[in-house]
This record gives sequence, structure tokens and C-alpha cells, in this order.
Amino acid sequence: LAKTTQPISMDSYEGQEVNITCSHNNIATNDYITWYQQFPSQGPRFIIQGYKTKVTNEVASLFIPADRKSSTLSLPRVSLSDTAVYYCLVPTGANNLFFGTGTRLTVIP
Amino acid sequence: DARVTQTPRDKVTEMGQEVTMRCQPILGHNTVFWYRQTMMQGLELLAYFRNRAPLDDSGMPKDRFSAEMPDATLATLKIQPSEPRDSAVYFCASGQQAVKGDNEQFFGPGTRLTVL
Repeated sequence: LAKTTQPISMDSYEGQEVNITCSHNNIATNDYITWYQQFPSQGPRFIIQGYKTKVTNEVASLFIPADRKSSTLSLPRVSLSDTAVYYCLVPTGANNLFFGTGTRLTVIP
Repeated sequence: DARVTQTPRDKVTEMGQEVTMRCQPILGHNTVFWYRQTMMQGLELLAYFRNRAPLDDSGMPKDRFSAEMPDATLATLKIQPSEPRDSAVYFCASGQQAVKGDNEQFFGPGTRLTVL
């Protein structure tokens, strides 16, 4: 049963780069790592997904070391609107995703 | 802009009443998920379907909850009878799942259920 561990909360100032690290020691060989973002009163929103090394899109970068037992979501130059809960997920079964409690990021002016 | 829609957005009911929540997945998506979110438990997977067939409902209290997909454009989650502890936000999500490992799910706005 692949589960994840990530910090409960983080604070950052506007304009800084934020790195949220997640551990997933029991990740299976074929599993992808997925990150979601959730704002209050909204459903989670897909941010990025990766299998190994580095993935980058217009929103974030995802770094995955060779052993794939952890991953780091990198948000460049955060703004106040990036204040949200960020979830790191790996499947617990056939495409089941375990969301857990996520990391509450607070961006400070 | 394709979106998952859910109705109702808010529901207040009394204990013992039946509650039905509806979800319209994004056209073409073959996988539908139901989640429940509370402050205490976070986001929990209740059930999910692939190609309208239920694949896993182990997260759902079977005695009172039921989930169905009458057709490809409608998923329902029913609670009968409802209890105060069922108060939560219920999210529906859909996905393409075309490639193994593709975990991108598109979430609806949720149904906020309050059981008095």
C-alpha cells in the first residue's frame, strides 16, 4: 500500500521559490507520482505528474530522484494566489489515489 | 471548456432522509470517482467506476451508501438514511485513464451536505 508523507504546513514569502518534498518509500515500479492543488471551497486541481527525473510545465517542476522514494514539487516565485493545500499522491491500487492531508502552503506578503 | 458538473451544490437535510447527489463527468472520460472531504478525515475515496462498471467501493459505508452510473453521462451517490456524521463535501471527479499510471483527474465543484 503506497502512502505518502509530506509536511503538514509551510510558509513562504511572495516571490520566493517553494519546494515541497514528499516521501513515498513503497512506491511500485510502474507508479507515477502526481501532485494536486486545492483552494478553499473548490475541488483539487491537477498540477503535475511524473515518473522519474524531472518534469516541468507552466505551473511547476517536479523532481524525482533515481530511487523514486521521494519527490519534490517546486513552485517558482510564489504569489499570494498560490496559498492552497498541495497533495502528493501515488496510487494505492489500480489508479486509486490516496490524498491524505496534504501540505498547507501559506504565502505571506 | 469541459468541466465536471455536480448537483446540488448545497444540500441541507434532516437525519433519516434520503440524499441523492449527481455528477456529470467530462464527455469521453472513462473513469469516475466519488470522494468525501471533511476537516477531520481529509479527502477520502468512496468509490470509483471505469467504463461504468464499479471497480472499488471499499471506502463507502455499504449499509447506507450506494453509487451507480446509469449511463456514461451520469453518476449518482445516494445516502439512505442520512446521518449527521455524513455531513461533508462530496466531490466527483472524472479521468481519461488512457495510459496506465495516468492519474489526472478533473474534479467537480462539490456538493456540500449538511445533515441536521
